[in-house]
Amino acid sequence: GQSLEQPSEVTAVEGAIVQINCTYQTSGFYGLSWYQQHDGGAPTFLSYNALDGLEETGRFSSFLSRSDSYGYLLLQELQMKDSASYFCAPRGSNYQLIWGAGTKLIIKP
Amino acid sequence: DAGVIQSPRHEVTEMGQEVTLRCKPISGHDYLFWYRQTMMRGLELLIYFNNNVPIDDSGMPEDRFSAKMPNASFSTLKIQPSEPRDSAVYFCASSMGQGVAPGQPQHFGDGTRLSIL
Repeated sequence: GQSLEQPSEVTAVEGAIVQINCTYQTSGFYGLSWYQQHDGGAPTFLSYNALDGLEETGRFSSFLSRSDSYGYLLLQELQMKDSASYFCAPRGSNYQLIWGAGTKLIIKP
Repeated sequence: DAGVIQSPRHEVTEMGQEVTLRCKPISGHDYLFWYRQTMMRGLELLIYFNNNVPIDDSGMPEDRFSAKMPNASFSTLKIQPSEPRDSAVYFCASSMGQGVAPGQPQHFGDGTRLSIL
């Protein structure tokens, strides 16, 4: 079977650092993607990890441990515009993304 | 470059009516996905196409839903007859080379906000 776990909601302060964790179970695994979705908007691609380790893109970094079926998204120097829902989406055996409920990130000034 | 284009952006119609949602993928993308998003069920994959051919429609909720992709630049999702529980945001997304390059991102359209009264 397949499963996906992320916290439903995370709260952080502007300027701080926040980590959103993701654990998954899939039949076949071809990498972990992260997407951001603002309220009323469409999901937009943030990052993709195919191999273990850290991928950095500006203020955002994504980490993957294939042996632990675990990944996280790290957001640094939080800005109010980072308030959104964040989805980790593992790619399963049919190469398609598996979507969960996402994590709502609330940023306070 | 133009992104994925969906129409209409909003649709309000009465139960029992036929609803047709439209999508134009990004030129050159060979995969097209239809998703539905609700608060209760999150983002659900309904169906996806590769090179205009439906590959997996196991997410289509029932026979009232149908999707077509007559050519590489156009797809439709049709609901007939529509019911209030079909109210949701429907997204179309496209990507390229999934089999060759699994990391290719999916590019989403702005969605169609559908309300069935």
